[in-house]
Amino acid sequence: AQTVTQSQPEMSVQEAETVTLSCTYDTSENNYYLFWYKQPPSRQMILVIRQEAYKQQNATENRFSVNFQKAAKSFSLKISDSQLGDTAMYFCAFMVNSGGSNYKLTFGKGTLLTVNP
Amino acid sequence: EPEVTQTPSHQVTQMGQEVILRCVPISNHLYFYWYRQILGQKVEFLVSFYNNEISEKSEIFDDQFSVERPDGSNFTLKIRSTKLEDSAMYFCASRHRDLKINEQFFGPGTRLTVL
Repeated sequence: AQTVTQSQPEMSVQEAETVTLSCTYDTSENNYYLFWYKQPPSRQMILVIRQEAYKQQNATENRFSVNFQKAAKSFSLKISDSQLGDTAMYFCAFMVNSGGSNYKLTFGKGTLLTVNP
Repeated sequence: EPEVTQTPSHQVTQMGQEVILRCVPISNHLYFYWYRQILGQKVEFLVSFYNNEISEKSEIFDDQFSVERPDGSNFTLKIRSTKLEDSAMYFCASRHRDLKINEQFFGPGTRLTVL
């Protein structure tokens, strides 16, 4: 079974600054994907960024980037130039990439990020 | 841009009543999922559905739950006799037929309140 751990229940950052959210996971699988989802107060789940485990290069999407350390099973999210609209709950999620897994997502408990003006 | 839709957005029901939550996945998707999020907690997998049958279900998905895709477009979650602890946000998600496209697209959720 896979587990995802987010050790920071809440974090805050000043507008325009950089913040890093932590995520660790545990798995015996070798072929998997990792995701960060954003959940604003509307509670819609929005994909922020994804990482394929076989890729060594860290994924980036505009102001969002990850630090993927496969050996350490760590997958942190860095948000640069934080904006007020980044205020949300952020969930780290894991997906095994094999037919037998049915590709379901396993989520961490989330980190509530508040961006202060 | 195509999106997953869910109805209703909010459902209030009495304990013991049956509820049906509806989802319309993106049209060229073949993999469908229901997840649940109790207020303040993490999102939990309930069930996955592929080729008109359940492919995997979690321990939460007991005999009170069922899913079906009755008409090739809608994907429904039925709770036969609701309990207080079923109060949660229920998310439907779908995934493209091409497994190289690994993103699951989520609907906006249905908030279920059981009184």
